[in-house]
Formats: sequence, structure tokens, C-alpha cells
Amino acid sequence: GQNIDQPTEMTATEGAIVQINCTYQTSGFNGLFWYQQHAGEAPTFLSYNVLDGLEEKGRFSSFLSRSKGYSYLLLKELQMKDSASYLCAVENDYKLSFGAGTTVTVRA
Amino acid sequence: GAGVSQSPSNKVTEKGKDVELRCDPISGHTALYWYRQRLGQGLEFLIYFQGNSAPDKSGLPSDRFSAERTGESVSTLTIQRTQQEDSAVYLCASSLGTTRFNEQFFGPGTRLTVL
Repeated sequence: GQNIDQPTEMTATEGAIVQINCTYQTSGFNGLFWYQQHAGEAPTFLSYNVLDGLEEKGRFSSFLSRSKGYSYLLLKELQMKDSASYLCAVENDYKLSFGAGTTVTVRA
Repeated sequence: GAGVSQSPSNKVTEKGKDVELRCDPISGHTALYWYRQRLGQGLEFLIYFQGNSAPDKSGLPSDRFSAERTGESVSTLTIQRTQQEDSAVYLCASSLGTTRFNEQFFGPGTRLTVL
């Protein structure tokens, strides 16, 4: 079976840093995706981790520890437009299994 | 088109009616996926196509749900005898179908409301 856990909601102030954790227990693992989904819109790709460690991409970074079944997405210098849902997804062969998503609200 | 498109964007139907949802994937993408997203929840996998074949239909919730794909392109998801619990956003995604870094590109979804 697949079990992917993320916090439901997080709130942070504009300009701050927020870390969204994702823990997983899955029957297989090829890699881990993070997607961003604004309300009423399609999910869009943010990052992909296949090896342990940190991947940095501008204001967004993603970390993976395969031995611990753990990932996090780090959002730095938060902007109002970062208010969205962030979805963690484990890749197993052709399939993605998604967590329920973390809604991040950025306040002025 | 440049991205995945879906139609209709919104569909309101009465309980018991059949509905058909359409997905046009990115040209050249061999893999196509359907997901369901209920309000405030994550994406629930429904079915996966590789070409015109569906090797994984494990997420279809009941035999009222079916899907097909033709010409390794357009896909339709059909829900027969709709129920109120079918109300959700139905998302389609396509990808190159690799087994690693298989980035899925999502369409805008069809919001289905069953009255």
C-alpha cells in the first residue's frame, strides 16, 4: 500500500521561510515530486528528487532522505503568490501516488 | 496545443445521468492518466494508459466508471448513472511514459457537480 503524509495547513508571513514535510511508506520508490497547485488550477511541477540530499532551484529547495522515507520542500523569501497547495508525490514505475497536500497561506 | 486540455471545464448533471469527460494530451506523450480530486483532498489515481492500452485500471471506483483512449491521443472518461459522491474535479495528465523522472503535465480539470 501507499501512505504519504503531509501537514494539512501552514501559515507564514511574507518574506519568511516555510518548510513543508512529507513522510512516506510505499511499496516502491523511483523518485519524489513536489507540485504546486493554486486554487482552481492544475498542479504544476516544482521539483524532483531521486538521490538523497538537497536540490536547490531559486527560492525553492527540496530535500530527500530515502532511508528515512522523508522529504521536505523549503520555500524562502515567501511572496503572496506562493499561497497555494503543495503536493508531495512518490514515483513508483509509471505511477505517482500523491499526499493530500499542504495548503500554505502567506500573510502580509 | 501546447498543454493538456480538458472539456468541458464545468459539468452539472442530475443524479442517474451519464457524463463523458474529454482529455487532449500533449502531442507525443504516450502515457495518460486520470485522477479525481475531491474538495480539499489530494489526487486519487483512477486509470493509466500507455498508448491505447490501459494496463492499470485499479483506481476506478466502480463499474460505473470506464475510460478509453484512441489514436494514442484523446481519452474519454465516462461515468454512468452518476451519483452525488461522484462530484469532484477530474484531472487528466500526460507524460513521456518513462519509469524515472516521469513528469506528469496536468490539464485544468473538469469540475463535475451531480445534483
